[in-house]
Amino acid sequence: TQLLEQSPQFLSIQEGENLTVYCNSSSVFSSLQWYRQEPGEGPVLLVTVVTGGEVKKLKRLTFQFGDARKDSSLHITAAQPGDTGLYLCAGAKAAGNKLTFGGGTRVLVKP
Amino acid sequence: ETGVTQTPRHLVMGMTNKKSLKCEQHLGHNAMYWYKQSAKKPLELMFVYSLEERVENNSVPSRFSPECPNSSHLFLHLHTLQPEDSALYLCASSTLAGGGSYEQYFGPGTRLTVT
Repeated sequence: TQLLEQSPQFLSIQEGENLTVYCNSSSVFSSLQWYRQEPGEGPVLLVTVVTGGEVKKLKRLTFQFGDARKDSSLHITAAQPGDTGLYLCAGAKAAGNKLTFGGGTRVLVKP
Repeated sequence: ETGVTQTPRHLVMGMTNKKSLKCEQHLGHNAMYWYKQSAKKPLELMFVYSLEERVENNSVPSRFSPECPNSSHLFLHLHTLQPEDSALYLCASSTLAGGGSYEQYFGPGTRLTVT
């Protein structure tokens, strides 16, 4: 059983459309991170959210941490082919420096 | 460029070979990690080193042997692997900062194929 469930597992959209990826858990995390991984490369950190209810924006990407710090979402506005990749969420507990990763959402943005 | 490098990027080895994966971080971090990423499975944490001491071994078979000679370098020694060990092996590093925000920075990975 995964501690962090991501949905959907795969998303294919046209350039210019919007998309939302979800990351859900029954556990509380002290922080949550989103990464994007391109084929043949390691995950690259996009953002860290720490406070319940926090919203962070990174250009066309909007990240939200749930009020109870159990879930998060990533919304991309007007997606571009360069947004194609595997999006991973990862949660950290209060003690220790381990991250628990979700299964990932593979996003394909077609031109 | 994340400040974490891994070599080699690709490795093909037979089941009787011995090889090593290398990771180097240039971020001044003091914790390093090995992960295994297989198709259609979440990232699996293998080992954690904190201040050059192994603090976690997630039931990894003994055919994988990590080594952390200093805070900038991490090795994964491989011997008598099985075909199911074929995967992308990722190294990451982080600080030991408190506050629960343990951001990890990943290398590009080594794509390992065991024949």
